[in-house]
Amino acid sequence: EADIYQTPRYLVIGTGKKITLECSQTMGHDKMYWYQQDPGMELHLIHYSYGVNSTEKGDLSSESTVSRIRTEHFPLTLESARPSHTSQYLCASSEWGLKETQYFGPGTRLLVL
Amino acid sequence: GIQVEQSPPDLILQEGANSTLRCNFSDSVNNLQWFHQNPWGQLINLFYIPSGTKQNGRLSATTVATERYSLLYISSSQTTDSGVYFCAVLTNAGKSTFGDGTTLTVKP
Repeated sequence: EADIYQTPRYLVIGTGKKITLECSQTMGHDKMYWYQQDPGMELHLIHYSYGVNSTEKGDLSSESTVSRIRTEHFPLTLESARPSHTSQYLCASSEWGLKETQYFGPGTRLLVL
Repeated sequence: GIQVEQSPPDLILQEGANSTLRCNFSDSVNNLQWFHQNPWGQLINLFYIPSGTKQNGRLSATTVATERYSLLYISSSQTTDSGVYFCAVLTNAGKSTFGDGTTLTVKP
């Protein structure tokens, strides 16, 4: 399994705050992904990246932004958190090519009050 | 976009029983993965299976790409198998799409 890390694991924050969710992987994977998942529901792709300086929007509209300055790092930022952003955020990475097996981090559970 | 449907949505089994989970997808895909999400929310990669059959212990999976479906078999289920099982597909566009999941509960 790939080594992929997310911090923080849990975050409770007030409305209007700026937050950054961190995701790092040590496998040298080119592709990285952010998903949003409400409890008991399906995962929705919100952002992905093919590599450094590449970012793409996923299927679910999101007010978050991402950056990919280094291969191993793919942070997600919310400029002004709202209660509607309360969810679990999952980061994943994969090689890019014929065998794109995704490996997931442990997730960040975000609660916006 | 591509549609991914999983069935059944919920499944309750007695320990030791076998089960089959199904994933249908509406278009051709580059790859397909099965995941198990444990009660702590961690997604565990079970199979990478764009086509053919694979086995790993009590679990096996079969994907028939030409007919756009995949099956996950769980034999001799254990309580630790409980959780949500997702299939996810990757299309030519490079995006991945997850199904709604099957919630499995294995009772002792």
